[in-house]
Amino acid sequence: SQKIEQNSEALNIQEGKTATLTCNYTNYSPAYLQWYRQDPGRGPVFLLLIRENEKEKRKERLKVTFDTTLKQSLFHITASQPADSATYLCALDPFSGGYNKLIFGAGTRLAVHP
Amino acid sequence: NAGVTQTPKFRILKIGQSMTLQCTQDMNHNYMYWYRQDPGMGLKLIYYSVGAGITDKGEVPNGYNVSRSTTEDFPLRLELAAPSQTSVYFCASSLDSSGSTIYFGEGSWLTVV
Repeated sequence: SQKIEQNSEALNIQEGKTATLTCNYTNYSPAYLQWYRQDPGRGPVFLLLIRENEKEKRKERLKVTFDTTLKQSLFHITASQPADSATYLCALDPFSGGYNKLIFGAGTRLAVHP
Repeated sequence: NAGVTQTPKFRILKIGQSMTLQCTQDMNHNYMYWYRQDPGMGLKLIYYSVGAGITDKGEVPNGYNVSRSTTEDFPLRLELAAPSQTSVYFCASSLDSSGSTIYFGEGSWLTVV
């Protein structure tokens, strides 16, 4: 079956360290993959998009990689801060070139401790 | 700039009641979506619209209906509420398709008892 998997266990790291979150997918060939941040009681907020022909994308302290052979995306936050604590969702459009009907993973909760 | 606005924020419904979740966006986006989010699960697409007068089913449309009479508004109707519809509902919009950023509302918490 088609699915997107993110680590369901919370990731606990120390402030200043690099957080790495994983998104694996099966049976899709997406043209792009997106990452969102969701705070408790709030809607998801877009962070980054990476296309299939891009191996890596950066935005400030954020870095995303996309390996279409492994069917995996990694999301990195360098020099993490307590304010980075949130749930991070990955999403892809299984109908490339279609209607932006994103399929979301369940998310990984990140907790950055001072 | 308000973005995507949903109402109500919280609602308790009795089994069999009906209600409408309102959603409006002020970004002149063509695409609008309704998702539901259950604990520990990913967001599931209920319905989407690619423009005024055009709607289509997503992954979990049963028990819901939508309409899109204007570019700005995309209400979601629950006709006969069931406990399985207890969830958090998010309305969202994007300018167009294929990679366009999706902007989400703040969510509507619905409990059916």
